[in-house]
Amino acid sequence: EAGVAQSPRYKIIEKRQSVAFWCNPISGHATLYWYQQILGQGPKLLIQFQNNGVVDDSQLPKDRFSAERLKGVDSTLKIQPAKLEDSAVYLCASSRGGGIRSGEQFFGPGTRLTVL
Amino acid sequence: RKEVEQDPGPFNVPEGATVAFNCTYSNSASQSFFWYRQDCRKEPKLLMSVYSSGNEDGRFTAQLNRASQYISLLIRDSKLSDSATYLCVTRDSSYKLIFGSGTRLLVRP
Repeated sequence: EAGVAQSPRYKIIEKRQSVAFWCNPISGHATLYWYQQILGQGPKLLIQFQNNGVVDDSQLPKDRFSAERLKGVDSTLKIQPAKLEDSAVYLCASSRGGGIRSGEQFFGPGTRLTVL
Repeated sequence: RKEVEQDPGPFNVPEGATVAFNCTYSNSASQSFFWYRQDCRKEPKLLMSVYSSGNEDGRFTAQLNRASQYISLLIRDSKLSDSATYLCVTRDSSYKLIFGSGTRLLVRP
């Protein structure tokens, strides 16, 4: 079974620029998550999709972050404009379902973003 | 106050040692609990779920104390390959996972 795919793996941008990350979850996984992991901290949920609908985006800074999962499969996360404090690893994860099935999430390798 | 608190470590132990990590959580409505493992510069992976009655998976034992809002992970007979960061995770009533900042374990030869 192929794992969660993410690209790019690394990205360096200057503040105020925009950036986009892509994620392809495990085939058949209905639920997709985007997390932000700052160095020395645990992952923090940004947004959760169930198929192509948003379940939880309460911690997404909506003035600069956006995400979509148009066909219920792959997803993109965008930051525009980026700030220095956005430097982090952006992890995509998927699970077979939400709710009771959300405990086992499969993570991709992440995109390491550096904002200069 | 963080929702899930862990000692960051590092815990530096010799091979074969027994080591225990603790974690406390603040949300009494938390419904489920997990331990994830994260190797350096890698993604987190589920290590084990934590059940109210306690559970064991090989050398790993997890315990939950709901009254004290406390979770533990015990690793027996440590291996070099156990070196990693161990993330304590709770799931809230909306099924969202809340991760602690992790405890770093270094197992030396």
